[in-house]
Amino acid sequence: AQSVTQLGSHVSVSEGALVLLRCNYSSSVPPYLFWYVQYPNQGLQLLLKYTTGATLVKGINGFEAEFKKSETSFHLTKPSAHMSDAAEYFCAVTLNTDKLIFGTGTRLQVFP
Amino acid sequence: KAGVTQTPRYLIKTRGQQVTLSCSPISGHRSVSWYQQTPGQGLQFLFEYFSETQRNKGNFPGRFSGRQFSNSRSEMNVSTLELGDSALYLCASSPEGRKNEQFFGPGTRLTVL
Repeated sequence: AQSVTQLGSHVSVSEGALVLLRCNYSSSVPPYLFWYVQYPNQGLQLLLKYTTGATLVKGINGFEAEFKKSETSFHLTKPSAHMSDAAEYFCAVTLNTDKLIFGTGTRLQVFP
Repeated sequence: KAGVTQTPRYLIKTRGQQVTLSCSPISGHRSVSWYQQTPGQGLQFLFEYFSETQRNKGNFPGRFSGRQFSNSRSEMNVSTLELGDSALYLCASSPEGRKNEQFFGPGTRLTVL
């Protein structure tokens, strides 16, 4: 069975600083991996996804993530945080079905 | 294209009642999935429907049920509500052929008193 672990339920950064949100997965076969963002009182918005091919994936709003099979990781990064990035971020995994398995989420705070 | 819409956005019920939530997918999407989001359990998969058939099911009691209509709109029903059913219920739709890309609606916030 597949699962996802997000290290750090809260991450705080200063505006302009690097954002790094960690995600490790467990899967017996190559997974599909996703990062979603959730703003208060809203649904989830897809930031980026890895299915096959290039392991460095670029998403919306300047975010990117790298699939590292040897480390079973899919960490999300952004070079320079913006106040508007404050939200909750979820890593998710699936094995080519519509059943997404989500991590517990990381709340990102951005300070001026 | 209009996004995924869910109605109602907010709902208050009492224990023992039943509730029906509605989801209209993005036009052309035939797959609809439902998720429950709570502070304690996080985001959990409920079920997925494709062409009016339940294709996948999560680990929830039988009080939780769903259906999909021929126009791909979906409903989920929770009977005999419990306090623990208070949650944000999210619906997501997927385009045929790219079934791993799910688009989420804003959710229905259910409060059980």
